[in-house]
Amino acid sequence: AQTVTQSQPEMSVQEAETVTLSCTYDTSENNYYLFWYKQPPSRQMILVIRQEAYKQQNATENRFSVNFQKAAKSFSLKISDSQLGDTAMYFCAFSSGGSNYKLTFGKGTLLTVNP
Amino acid sequence: DGGITQSPKYLFRKEGQNVTLSCEQNLNHDAMYWYRQDPGQGLRLIYYSQIVNDFQKGDIAEGYSVSREKKESFPLTVTSAQKNPTAFYLCASSIWGQNMNTEAFFGQGTRLTVV
Repeated sequence: AQTVTQSQPEMSVQEAETVTLSCTYDTSENNYYLFWYKQPPSRQMILVIRQEAYKQQNATENRFSVNFQKAAKSFSLKISDSQLGDTAMYFCAFSSGGSNYKLTFGKGTLLTVNP
Repeated sequence: DGGITQSPKYLFRKEGQNVTLSCEQNLNHDAMYWYRQDPGQGLRLIYYSQIVNDFQKGDIAEGYSVSREKKESFPLTVTSAQKNPTAFYLCASSIWGQNMNTEAFFGQGTRLTVV
């Protein structure tokens, strides 16, 4: 079974600075997908960024980028120029590329951006 | 607008009663999921369904039941056998296909409280 581990329950960062959230996962598969989801106080889950395991290039979406290390099974999220609206719970998630498509989540990291 | 609708937003149940949470999607997604969210636990998978009239247990299915009679609908029943049902419940859907990006789209959630 796949597992996803987020070792940082809480983090804080000053506005305009950069912060990195950590995520590791365990799988025996070679083809899979990784995601970072954001859950603001409204509790609506929002996809931040995704990475296909077969792609070596790290995904980037505006101020959000990932550092995908397949051999180390690591998938960290970097948020540049942090904004107050980035304050949220961030969840790392794994989805198999095979026949079992369920999405497995980590326990989350609560990020607070301070003014 | 396409999306996932969960209802109600807040639900109160007396101990010993069954209650059904509604989830409807108009994204034409094959796969649908139910997650439970508790503080510090992340999102835990209750049940998921990849096609109509078929569903599988997730990691914490005990005390819950589902049905998938229509592609658009995936209701979750919290039975009296669920010993600690007070939680936030999230429904999600995604496309389904091997080696396909299975990004999940989420509803706004239902907060269930047992009184």
